[in-house]
Amino acid sequence: KAGVTQTPRYLIKTRGQQVTLSCSPISGHRSVSWYQQTPGQGLQFLFEYFSETQRNKGNFPGRFSGRQFSNSRSEMNVSTLELGDSALYLCASSPLGLETQYFGPGTRLLVL
Amino acid sequence: DAKTTQPTSMDCAEGRAANLPCNHSTISGNEYVYWYRQIHSQGPQYIIHGLKNNETNEMASLIITEDRKSSTLILPHATLRDTAVYYCIVRFPAGGTSYGKLTFGQGTILTVHP
Repeated sequence: KAGVTQTPRYLIKTRGQQVTLSCSPISGHRSVSWYQQTPGQGLQFLFEYFSETQRNKGNFPGRFSGRQFSNSRSEMNVSTLELGDSALYLCASSPLGLETQYFGPGTRLLVL
Repeated sequence: DAKTTQPTSMDCAEGRAANLPCNHSTISGNEYVYWYRQIHSQGPQYIIHGLKNNETNEMASLIITEDRKSSTLILPHATLRDTAVYYCIVRFPAGGTSYGKLTFGQGTILTVHP
């Protein structure tokens, strides 16, 4: 079975721009979670989607949003980018959201 | 989810067993102990998890104390490729705010030396 895939792997943006990151879960997994990893804050949970609905959300501003499609693929969007949004963004999938999660390789975002 | 405490860093000689401790003294009866590792700049990799009994898979063994207040991840024959940050996570898979969420601490930096 193919693992979790994320695109793009690397991205450079400037302040004020917006960005969209994509995640394809493991086949058959319907839950997709997103995390942000920075040197200062570590790995932090952003949100989780299941059956195209956001079921859980971390403590991030509204500039961070996401969606899930009927094939379980998910996107996250960050609007009005700030320098502090530079991070590794990780996607993880699991069958229903309560089991073991499997992570993708991440998208490294650099905001200049 | 219960809080976990791990040593900041540990060293291990290649070929020897690496024993990584984790304290979770406030764990509740239905909370699982999960271990992940993250090799530099890659996504976290699932290693093993357990509830009460000791568990073993092709990667590692997980020993949970009888009172469940602590656990140890054992890599039986560490190699240089096992150098990574190891995260011990306690999770209660009950829906609501648990959906899709893992709470990561700072983890243990394991360095395997030749």
